[in-house]
Amino acid sequence: AQKVTQAQTEISVVEKEDVTLDCVYETRDTTYYLFWYKQPPSGELVFLIRRNSFDEQNEISGRYSWNFQKSTSSFNFTITASQVVDSAVYFCALSERSNYKLTFGKGTLLTVNP
Amino acid sequence: GAGVSQSPRYKVAKRGQDVALRCDPISGHVSLFWYQQALGQGPEFLTYFQNEAQLDKSGLPSDRFFAERPEGSVSTLKIQRTQQEDSAVYLCASSPRTVVMNTEAFFGQGTRLTVV
Repeated sequence: AQKVTQAQTEISVVEKEDVTLDCVYETRDTTYYLFWYKQPPSGELVFLIRRNSFDEQNEISGRYSWNFQKSTSSFNFTITASQVVDSAVYFCALSERSNYKLTFGKGTLLTVNP
Repeated sequence: GAGVSQSPRYKVAKRGQDVALRCDPISGHVSLFWYQQALGQGPEFLTYFQNEAQLDKSGLPSDRFFAERPEGSVSTLKIQRTQQEDSAVYLCASSPRTVVMNTEAFFGQGTRLTVV
């Protein structure tokens, strides 16, 4: 069975601080896909990134970066120089090659204070 | 519109009432999903459509829940005889390809259902 754990329920930082959101996953499939979504107060889930299990290369997109480590089953998300607009709930999710349904973690509420 | 549109945004229903939630996916998207998000939790899968065919309804919590997508575009999630435990945000998502590709899904803003 697939499972995603986001151990951090809430994180509060001051603007311009760097912050890392942790995600640990469990799966029996050798082919799987990992996702991060952002959910601002408006409620819409905004897609941020999709990675497949064969691509462990870290990715950077502006202030966002992702660290995928199969050895520890982790897919962590770092925001550099955080801004107030980054305040939201962030979800990590997993889908397996054999099971396309997204399994989400419980989310991490990030609050960036001015 | 450019994104997934859901209506209504908010719905208050008295226990026992039937409700219908609408989803307008991104034009041309083959796949459509419904998820249920309880307060403080991540979304949980309800059902999946590929065009007009409902290929997976394994996540529907009871036979009071029914979904359709008759023309392969707009979808409706219907809940009959609502109960308090049905209170949640119902999210619709669409994807341009079939699930074989495990591509990212684009979500709407959801419908917050409150059963009183």
